[in-house]
Amino acid sequence: DTGVSQDPRHKITKRGQNVTFRCDPISEHNRLYWYRQTLGQGPEFLTYFQNEAQLEKSRLLSDRFSAERPKGSFSTLEIQRTEQGDSAMYLCASSRDRVGQPQHFGDGTRLSIL
Amino acid sequence: SQQGEEDPQALSIQEGENATMNCSYKTSINNLQWYRQNSGRGLVHLILIRSNEREKHSGRLRVTLDTSKKSSSLLITASRAADTASYFCATDALDMIKAAGNKLTFGGGTRVLVKP
Repeated sequence: DTGVSQDPRHKITKRGQNVTFRCDPISEHNRLYWYRQTLGQGPEFLTYFQNEAQLEKSRLLSDRFSAERPKGSFSTLEIQRTEQGDSAMYLCASSRDRVGQPQHFGDGTRLSIL
Repeated sequence: SQQGEEDPQALSIQEGENATMNCSYKTSINNLQWYRQNSGRGLVHLILIRSNEREKHSGRLRVTLDTSKKSSSLLITASRAADTASYFCATDALDMIKAAGNKLTFGGGTRVLVKP
């Protein structure tokens, strides 16, 4: 169990640029989640996958956001035309798909928009 | 949007003292989970309590759940400086259509400072 890995840990970019984050879940976990956390707040759900299928998306996930999980392994979260309000920590988590399983989080990608 | 409130927002105690924090939520749940987050890091799962359970222990942690009041509490006994972190409760909402284990809805957290 090597844990959930996220890359990069930090990303600084100018407003209007596109960014992509990667998450590698724990290998035997079918479910993968993306959350966003702003300073001083709890994480907010963005989207989740069961294997390669994206099963739910939050209304926070505007059309500038897209997430994929090809082959049901790693996942990417892309933000197009970034805005100041996108500055946040983006957290990935994974879990088994049995009832009542805890989610295991990565250390996140901190995005700063200049 | 956040599921509910955590109380207090911040807590400062001396090493060896107990720390208690509370969480309220709004909807029916499958389970409630507590997580710890150190500054700049991801969340670490501490304990999960199911909706049909009232109390659960894990080491120095004690969690209670009152589904009639839609509230939970986390007690950390004999605190240590290493317990300094933010603590979040998160609910796995009951959904009659989808299977359990979907998104978690987090509270705003309690920031705990344990002074040596």
